[in-house]
Amino acid sequence: DSGVTQTPKHLITATGQRVTLRCSPRSGDLSVYWYQQSLDQGLQFLIQYYNGEERAKGNILERFSAQQFPDLHSELNLSSLELGDSALYFCASSVGTGVAYEQYFGPGTRLTVT
Amino acid sequence: AQTVTQSQPEMSVQEAETVTLSCTYDTSESDYYLFWYKQPPSRQMILVIRQEAYKQQNATENRFSVNFQKAAKSFSLKISDSQLGDAAMYFCAYRSTDSGTYKYIFGTGTRLKVLA
Repeated sequence: DSGVTQTPKHLITATGQRVTLRCSPRSGDLSVYWYQQSLDQGLQFLIQYYNGEERAKGNILERFSAQQFPDLHSELNLSSLELGDSALYFCASSVGTGVAYEQYFGPGTRLTVT
Repeated sequence: AQTVTQSQPEMSVQEAETVTLSCTYDTSESDYYLFWYKQPPSRQMILVIRQEAYKQQNATENRFSVNFQKAAKSFSLKISDSQLGDAAMYFCAYRSTDSGTYKYIFGTGTRLKVLA
């Protein structure tokens, strides 16, 4: 158990819908990262927050957005969902933002768009 | 742009034997970190080992060790005394140390099967 929690574990929804994925970082971690893993692929970095502020953006679609709240939990919002958005979405957290800080991954949320 | 290549989609190893997973990368940066992650069927991403590019010494974590060849841009993972619990997808990853950008690039993975 990494100490990072993600809810829900599974989500099934229809095309065109909007969903929200939630992540609670490890206690004491200020940085949260979101990743997308499509079937049998490596992880694609989406976005990073540090202490409530957006710190870095990766290959995140305009239909996707995220935020980190004062209690440090984060939410990833996916809208106008398409079949290709079906994937495993991981959240990770670390104490700081530098590369020396290990990232701890949550168990992921499996999103299925039908 | 940086790339990470894992050319072995699948590997098999007999229990108690040794296996090496390959990873090559491309970068123009001189300082960076390299990682191997394990993803078992539970889908949890678990850090196996990491290597700082400026360190000459190859990293080792118990039965896991790396062969880091900076000039050749190669970063292979050796698993000794393979156990059934080692069966998983293994991902090689590159992370830039450039604080101005965030680059965390993963390879496509190698599925390791451990045969009893």
